[in-house]
Amino acid sequence: NAGVTQTPKFQVLKTGQSMTLQCAQDMNHEYMSWYRQDPGMGLRLIHYSVGAGITDQGEVPNGYNVSRSTTEDFPLRLLSAAPSQTSVYFCASRKLGQGNQPQHFGDGTRLSIL
Amino acid sequence: GENVEQHPSTLSVQEGDSAVIKCTYSDSASNYFPWYKQELGKRPQLIIDIRSNVGEKKDQRIAVTLNKTAKHFSLHITETQPEDSAVYFCAASQDSGGYQKVTFGTGTKLQVIP
Repeated sequence: NAGVTQTPKFQVLKTGQSMTLQCAQDMNHEYMSWYRQDPGMGLRLIHYSVGAGITDQGEVPNGYNVSRSTTEDFPLRLLSAAPSQTSVYFCASRKLGQGNQPQHFGDGTRLSIL
Repeated sequence: GENVEQHPSTLSVQEGDSAVIKCTYSDSASNYFPWYKQELGKRPQLIIDIRSNVGEKKDQRIAVTLNKTAKHFSLHITETQPEDSAVYFCAASQDSGGYQKVTFGTGTKLQVIP
């Protein structure tokens, strides 16, 4: 298994540009989520999904959209990039229905907005 | 919603000494508490977890304790080694109905001095 795969690993955008961060997992996990990690602030949840066709907001959803058309993929879209969205973005997934299970993280996408 | 506080934010210990990181949570419904280790530039990786029906769990040099009454849990690393240097995150979560949100602490940067 490849686990959780994120692309790209690095990206530089200009303010106002849009882009999609890709996340795919091959573990048949129902739960997928996106976090942003900023210095001194830990991991903050942006959006999450408990299955195909179901998404919900986390604690910092503004400026981001998600969709979940398949179990495997959970892309994160920045509609109009702002410098405040400069961060490291992590996608994570876990199995549901077996009690609490740990999350598996991707390698992250380092995003800079100029 | 859940709030997780983590202390200290930085911790320096001599090689061979013990390190303790403490977290408190606010939601008594949280029932799963994982700990993640993140090396510089890498993904967070699970090192140990504990469920609310257990008071203590050990895995070689790492142990976690949970006090449900006080709503706090701690990570203990004994005989620290330079490779233990990393940022450690605690988290609290619950699998109840359709709500599966994981809340992270802000992290502790551990430095083990050879």
